[in-house]
Amino acid sequence: AQSVAQPEDQVNVAEGNPLTVKCTYSVSGNPYLFWYVQYPNRGLQFLLKYITGDNLVKGSYGFEAEFNKSQTSFHLKKPSALVSDSALYFCAVRDYPAGNTPLVFGKGTRLSVIA
Amino acid sequence: DAGVTQSPTHLIKTRGQQVTLRCSPKSGHDTVSWYQQALGQGPQFIFQYYEEEERQRGNFPDRFSGHQFPNYSSELNVNALLLGDSALYLCASSLSPLYEQYFGPGTRLTVT
Repeated sequence: AQSVAQPEDQVNVAEGNPLTVKCTYSVSGNPYLFWYVQYPNRGLQFLLKYITGDNLVKGSYGFEAEFNKSQTSFHLKKPSALVSDSALYFCAVRDYPAGNTPLVFGKGTRLSVIA
Repeated sequence: DAGVTQSPTHLIKTRGQQVTLRCSPKSGHDTVSWYQQALGQGPQFIFQYYEEEERQRGNFPDRFSGHQFPNYSSELNVNALLLGDSALYLCASSLSPLYEQYFGPGTRLTVT
């Protein structure tokens, strides 16, 4: 069964500094990886995905993620954080192309960007 | 282009009651998935509907049931509500079961 770990409950970063939100995964086949963001009292917004191809994936709002197969990681990054990036971030995984497997989410990491 | 919509926004029910939540998928999407997000947790997969059939189911009891209509909209029904059913219920739609999912704003259910 697939699983996702987000080792940090909270990440604090100063505005303008680079940010990283960590994610590691476990799947029996190949991973199909996602990052979503959730603002207060809102649903989840899709940021980016990785299936195959370049290990560096670019997504919405200047975010990118780096896939590392040997470390089974898919860390979310942004070169320069904004206060408006403060939100709850979720990493998710499913097996690909193992068929129609459910999307499994991590517990989330709260990002706080301080002005 | 309307995204995924859910109704109602908030709901308060009493233990033992039944509840129905509704979801309209994003235009062009034919697959709907439901998730439960407890406070401080990530979303947990309940089930997925495609072609009006339940295609996958997560680790939830039979008290949780659903339906998909010919227009691809969906309902989530929960019977015999427990206090532990209090959560944000998220609906997500996709172009097909294998594509990325787009989420609605959720329905906040409180069971007292």
